Amino acid sequence: IAGITQAPTSQILAAGRRMTLRCTQDMRHNAMYWYRQDLGLGLRLIHYSNTAGTTGKGEVPDGYSVSRANTDDFPLTLASAVPSQTSVYFCASSPDKSGGYTFGSGTRLTVV
Amino acid sequence: DQQVKQNSPSLSVQEGRISILNCDYTNSMFDYFLWYKKYPAEGPTFLISISSIKDKNEDGRFTVFLNKSAKHLSLHIVPSQPGDSAVYFCAASLFSGGSNYKLTFGKGTLLTVNP
Repeated sequence: IAGITQAPTSQILAAGRRMTLRCTQDMRHNAMYWYRQDLGLGLRLIHYSNTAGTTGKGEVPDGYSVSRANTDDFPLTLASAVPSQTSVYFCASSPDKSGGYTFGSGTRLTVV
Repeated sequence: DQQVKQNSPSLSVQEGRISILNCDYTNSMFDYFLWYKKYPAEGPTFLISISSIKDKNEDGRFTVFLNKSAKHLSLHIVPSQPGDSAVYFCAASLFSGGSNYKLTFGKGTLLTVNP
């Protein structure tokens, strides 16, 4: 089934640890995105990639990094996790503006 | 500065009645507007969109209205069904180069449809 796969589904992480959230799509979409969803704040863009080999910063990029070595994969790395990064993280991809994004099922991350 | 605003955190309606979800925006450069629906423990799913050059788009029970002069859009669901109970996010698209666009989301409105 075409779509986006995120892993892990959930994770409890000690503060200060490094963590990579994985995202893979099989739709050959050029653009991919990472959002975090927090209660009362909606979905906020962390980083994006318009095409393989390029990345850009979103609204809340601090503490996160991304890479886009190929079309399918767009991992998000927390170099040294802090409790404020406790959130639900969604990866998304898009073919164009009219059809909207396809989202993954999310990764629930708790930093303690 | 919040560019896409959903001022109602929640809305409750009776089954069979109309649900109206509202969204305001500030950036006149947005060129597409979209609505997403999100169930708990799932990712958002695309519902319906409208180009900035149109004022209405209809898809089954869902209709989106755009008032550019007021920088306001709304999603109408008629008739509402209990399965429509979810968080609805309004989003606006801005061209970001090449063929790609970035979405800015509102904070969401929790819709509850009571049987």
